[in-house]
Amino acid sequence: SQKIEQNSEALNIQEGKTATLTCNYTNYSPAYLQWYRQDPGRGPVFLLLIRENEKEKRKERLKVTFDTTLKQSLFHITASQPADSATYLCAPGAGSYQLTFGKGTKLSVIP
Amino acid sequence: KAGVTQTPRYLIKTRGQQVTLSCSPISGHRSVSWYQQTPGQGLQFLFEYFSETQRNKGNFPGRFSGRQFSNSRSEMNVSTLELGDSALYLCASSLGETGSSYNSPLHFGNGTRLTVT
Repeated sequence: SQKIEQNSEALNIQEGKTATLTCNYTNYSPAYLQWYRQDPGRGPVFLLLIRENEKEKRKERLKVTFDTTLKQSLFHITASQPADSATYLCAPGAGSYQLTFGKGTKLSVIP
Repeated sequence: KAGVTQTPRYLIKTRGQQVTLSCSPISGHRSVSWYQQTPGQGLQFLFEYFSETQRNKGNFPGRFSGRQFSNSRSEMNVSTLELGDSALYLCASSLGETGSSYNSPLHFGNGTRLTVT
């Protein structure tokens, strides 16, 4: 069955450093992969979408890579700020009119 | 443009009762998906509707059902509530054009927090 793993449940980093979150998937081949941010008590918010033929995508301080050989996506936040503290969810999409999410990584940026 | 609106925001029900949750998508969005979120399981897909048709359903018992109206608004219903149904229920809308909807970003509401006692 399809499986999505995000590297760790929690990640603590110092303000100003680069945070790197990992998303691994098995048993399917997504054509797209999406990343979302979720704050406590709120719904997830879409951040970035990367297609299988794109190696890298950037948006301001965010960067996503997509390696279909390794079956892995990396999500980077450069010059991290305390306001970046949230849970980040990856969602590889492969059809069937549904988006399946990983359980998320809770990022804490320490001032 | 108004975001996705879910009502009610909080709900407390007793075991055995039934509940109906409502979702109003972003104007122009024809696809509505429902998810259940719990601390242990994360976001679990319930079902997806497009133009009043259910296109996919997740692995949930038949007590969970939904529907979509002609104006794209959607409702989900849970009958014979169990303690394990306590969760945050999230609705998300997207453009959902022909083909899979996974390539359209989902726009989530802030959910309905259901507590079953």
